[in-house]
Amino acid sequence: AQSVSQHNHHVILSEAASLELGCNYSYGGTVNLFWYVQYPGQHLQLLLKYFSGDPLVKGIKGFEAEFIKSKFSFNLRKPSVQWSDTAEYFCAVNDANAGNMLTFGGGTRLMVKP
Amino acid sequence: DVKVTQSSRYLVKRTGEKVFLECVQDMDHENMFWYRQDPGLGLRLIYFSYDVKMKEKGDIPEGYSVSREKKERFSLILESASTNQTSMYLCASSTPGQGMNQPQHFGDGTRLSIL
Repeated sequence: AQSVSQHNHHVILSEAASLELGCNYSYGGTVNLFWYVQYPGQHLQLLLKYFSGDPLVKGIKGFEAEFIKSKFSFNLRKPSVQWSDTAEYFCAVNDANAGNMLTFGGGTRLMVKP
Repeated sequence: DVKVTQSSRYLVKRTGEKVFLECVQDMDHENMFWYRQDPGLGLRLIYFSYDVKMKEKGDIPEGYSVSREKKERFSLILESASTNQTSMYLCASSTPGQGMNQPQHFGDGTRLSIL
């Protein structure tokens, strides 16, 4: 079965610091990859997604993620975080042969200090 | 914009009660999902449905059932609630799309406490 690991459960950064959140998955076949964000008190929202093509994906609010197939990774990055980026971030993987079922990582709670 | 509405934000029930969580989406999506969200465990899929009256077990279906009588509505049922079912429950919907890879749209969640 697919599993998704997010190695950092809690991250605290100061504003303007750079961010990288790790995500690794276990399945070696064709996958679709997603990052979702949940701001305090709000519902989960799609941040960015990778289906095929350029492994460097740009998302909303200045976020990007890089798919490295050889490392089974899809790390999320932002060069300069803002206080409003305080949220919980979830990596999710869809095995392309398993329909629309998503497997989520455990989440990373990011706090950005003003 | 896709709207996924869960009937309750907060719910408190007693052990042994039968609990219904309702979810409605307004975008004519074929796929609907129920997850539970627990700290450190992320989202875990309970059940999903790809069409009316169709349902499939997810990763943790034990203790739950679902109902999809209409396309827009997907209900999660706790047959006999237990304290270990205290959690945040999230509903989501999506279109099948090409290659089954369309993003899921989430509701605000129902925080359920079983006493």
